[in-house]
Amino acid sequence: DAGITQSPRHKVTETGTPVTLRCHQTENHRYMYWYRQDPGHGLRLIHYSYGVKDTDKGEVSDGYSVSRSKTEDFLLTLESATSSQTSVYFCAISDPTGPSGNTIYFGEGSWLTVV
Amino acid sequence: KNEVEQSPQNLTAQEGEFITINCSYSVGISALHWLQQHPGGGIVSLFMLSSGKKKHGRLIATINIQEKHSSLHITASHPRDSAVYICAVLQGAQKLVFGQGTRLTINP
Repeated sequence: DAGITQSPRHKVTETGTPVTLRCHQTENHRYMYWYRQDPGHGLRLIHYSYGVKDTDKGEVSDGYSVSRSKTEDFLLTLESATSSQTSVYFCAISDPTGPSGNTIYFGEGSWLTVV
Repeated sequence: KNEVEQSPQNLTAQEGEFITINCSYSVGISALHWLQQHPGGGIVSLFMLSSGKKKHGRLIATINIQEKHSSLHITASHPRDSAVYICAVLQGAQKLVFGQGTRLTINP
């Protein structure tokens, strides 16, 4: 299994508070992603990173920011949490130039509830 | 219309039955993934394919690029196969577009 850990795994927070989710990998994979999964929508890309300090927006990036200051960590921040951001968040990694090609590996998910 | 459509959305079968889950897509792709997600659990990649067929144990995945269609088959299904199966297509180098998933329940 790929070494991906997400933290926290579960969090309840109040509307308007900032929240940061962390994704940590031990695989030295170049690409890292943050997705959210909601009933009726499947997985949707929030932001992704293709290297240290190189990030780009996905299809549902409003209200979220990311940072990647080192290869192994990709942080997702909700600047001011809203109830619409209650979701399950998945981190994923891939490395198309590596031996596994475009195989993608997912973290275990972070359940976020905004009340 | 979603770029990736899966059918059926829900499937219930008896242990031992042959299972087929379908995925159709409307965009150009470089590869297609089949993923498995157990209740409350993480997501695991089962297959990545760009042509033909792949087999792993009781699971078989096929893809027809011309028809923009892929199928996931499970032979001799077992209750532990109960999960959500997700089709995802890779556009270009890194953009994944996901289907909404098929919830499979195998009864003993």
